[in-house]
Amino acid sequence: GAVVSQHPSWVICKSGTSVKIECRSLDFQATTMFWYRQFPKQSLMLMATSNEGSKATYEQGVEKDKFLINHASLTLSTLTVTSAHPEDSSFYICSARVGQGDINTIYFGEGSWLTVV
Amino acid sequence: GQNIDQPTEMTATEGAIVQINCTYQTSGFNGLFWYQQHAGEAPTFLSYNVLDGLEEKGRFSSFLSRSKGYSYLLLKELQMKDSASYLCAPMDSNYQLIWGAGTKLIIKP
Repeated sequence: GAVVSQHPSWVICKSGTSVKIECRSLDFQATTMFWYRQFPKQSLMLMATSNEGSKATYEQGVEKDKFLINHASLTLSTLTVTSAHPEDSSFYICSARVGQGDINTIYFGEGSWLTVV
Repeated sequence: GQNIDQPTEMTATEGAIVQINCTYQTSGFNGLFWYQQHAGEAPTFLSYNVLDGLEEKGRFSSFLSRSKGYSYLLLKELQMKDSASYLCAPMDSNYQLIWGAGTKLIIKP
C-alpha cells in the first residue's frame, strides 16, 4: 500500500536555529500534502496545505515566514521551522493525498517530534 | 461552521464489540475517514467512506449516512492493542480533513 515517509522522527535543536523536516510519498505521486502539528492530548491542527509547484496555503494564525514549506516535487514536501523557540516544540505530522475521481485517500507520515532547548 | 462530535472516551472489554459514533457538519463533503492514533504516534488510516452504507475490513467496519451527517466505526473481537484514540475526519469541499479530538478507547481484560 501507499507509504508516506517522514524524517527525522526525533530532533532536538537549540533555540534560534532552524530545522527541516522532510515528507516523502514513497510509491505514489501526492496531489496535495498537508502539514499538521499536535500537542499532547489535543487534536491535529492543520498548519498548511501545499500543492506541487505552488505556494503553500497557510491556516490562520500560522506564520508563513516562520514555517517555510517547500513542495518541489510530487513526492517531496519539506517544512522548515526557522528561528525555533521552545514553544515550537511539538509533534509535526505530514500527510499526502492521493486523489482519483471520487476516491480520495490520505496517508500520514510517522511524525516528527521536535524539541527546542 | 464545521464541527465533529464524538464521545470523548469509551471503555470496552477484550473480545467484545464496540461502536464509536460520529456526527459531523462540513462545508461540502468528499468522504469521511477513520484513523487510529496511539499515544505519541501519527494517525494510521483505517477506512474511507464516500457512499452511504457499510464498509467492512477485517475486524473493523465503518458506516456512513450522508443525509444524517453520521458515521460509526465498529470494532469486533477487541484486542488490547486496540486501545487508542479513534479519529473521525470528514473531508470538506476543499479536500481538507476536519478533525475533532477523537475518541479514546480503553480496552480492559
